[in-house]
Amino acid sequence: GAVVSQHPSWVICKSGTSVKIECRSLDFQATTMFWYRQFPKQSLMLMATSNEGSKATYEQGVEKDKFLINHASLTLSTLTVTSAHPEDSSFYICSARHLQGIGNTIYFGEGSWLTVV
Amino acid sequence: AQKVTQAQTEISVVEKEDVTLDCVYETRDTTYYLFWYKQPPSGELVFLIRRNSFDEQNEISGRYSWNFQKSTSSFNFTITASQVVDSAVYFCALFGSSNTGKLIFGQGTTLQVKP
Repeated sequence: GAVVSQHPSWVICKSGTSVKIECRSLDFQATTMFWYRQFPKQSLMLMATSNEGSKATYEQGVEKDKFLINHASLTLSTLTVTSAHPEDSSFYICSARHLQGIGNTIYFGEGSWLTVV
Repeated sequence: AQKVTQAQTEISVVEKEDVTLDCVYETRDTTYYLFWYKQPPSGELVFLIRRNSFDEQNEISGRYSWNFQKSTSSFNFTITASQVVDSAVYFCALFGSSNTGKLIFGQGTTLQVKP
C-alpha cells in the first residue's frame, strides 16, 4: 500500500541551528504534501501546504522564513526549521495526498520529534 | 466553514468492552471525505478508514466498525471487544472538495483500555 516515510524520527539540535526534516512518498507521486505540527495532547495544526514545483502555501500565523518548505520532486518535500529555538520543540508530521480514482486518501509519515536545547 | 468535533476528550474502558468514539462534522461541501486515524504513543498517524459523502453504508473491519449518518452529520467509530493495544488517540478528520486538500481534524479522543 501507499507509504509515506519521514526522516529523521528523532532529532535534537542546539538553539540557533537549523534542522531539516524529509517527507517522502514511497510508492506514489504526491503533487501536494502537507506539514503539521502537534503540541502535547493537542490536535494537529496545519502549518503549510507544499506544492511540487511552486512555493508553499502557509497557514496564518506560520512564519515562512522560520519554516522553509521545499517540494523539489513529486516524491519529496522538506521542512527546514531555521535558527531553531526551544519553543520550536514539537512533533512535526507530514502527509501526502494519494489520488485514487475519483477519491483520494491522505497518508501520514511517521512523524519527527524535534527537541531544541 | 468546516469543522470536526470530537466531544469525548478521554475514554477509559476495561478490556473486552465495546466503545464508541463520536465524531460530528460541519461542511457546506456536497462532496467530502471523512477519515479516522489512530495515533499510538509513538506518534505516527495510522490510517483506519476513508468514507466519501455519497456512501452511507456502514463498514466493518474486524473489531472496528463505522456508522456514517449524513442526517446527523456524524461518523462514529466503534471498537468491539476492546484490547489494550487499542489504547491510543483517535482523530476524526474531514476533507472537503472546496478545501484544496487540507484535512480538518477533530481534537482527538484519548482511549485507554485497561487490562
